[in-house]
Amino acid sequence: NAGVTQTPKFQVLKTGQSMTLQCAQDMNHNSMYWYRQDPGMGLRLIYYSASEGTTDKGEVPNGYNVSRLNKREFSLRLESAAPSQTSVYFCASNRRLAGPYNEQFFGPGTRLTVL
Amino acid sequence: DQQVKQNSPSLSVQEGRISILNCDYTNSMFDYFLWYKKYPAEGPTFLISISSIKDKNEDGRFTVFLNKSAKHLSLHIVPSQPGDSAVYFCAASSGTYKYIFGTGTRLKVLA
Repeated sequence: NAGVTQTPKFQVLKTGQSMTLQCAQDMNHNSMYWYRQDPGMGLRLIYYSASEGTTDKGEVPNGYNVSRLNKREFSLRLESAAPSQTSVYFCASNRRLAGPYNEQFFGPGTRLTVL
Repeated sequence: DQQVKQNSPSLSVQEGRISILNCDYTNSMFDYFLWYKKYPAEGPTFLISISSIKDKNEDGRFTVFLNKSAKHLSLHIVPSQPGDSAVYFCAASSGTYKYIFGTGTRLKVLA
């Protein structure tokens, strides 16, 4: 049981290049998320997918696209990378618990630098 | 507009003493709150949560208190251990699957 996995762990891009960050979870969770973490900004939600086949914008969606390929996989694409997208990106999945309780599981992160 | 605020960027506590991490929120629609712990170069890990129908939730050394009228929650760690040194994030949601995170507090537990 690997939990939430992300690839790659590190990436350096030039301005204007494109790339896709991959995320997979093996916990059979319905909901998946992409966050970015910047110094002094905490974790900000980019996109999320409440269930397979649905995606919704979070707080900072501009410059990103997502694909919920199946229940396991949720990818994040940067079509034309900009230096402002230099950040650490975290993928997460959500487990529903009894009552109102939920628990998010995070991947190890992808550290992206855009030059 | 920061809906979830952690106003203390850092906190140092002696081993064995109590650590109190604070979090304030502005959105009265938030009804579920979580605390996460994050070590360097790792993803956040879930610690403890609380629903707005409760004012306290305990799990071992960790207790979360919720004061709805003040829109304030706190995480108490007793006793604090060196392994607790990490960044702690609070997060809130309003009955959806979207979570709003605070900016984090770096806790250092001194041996």
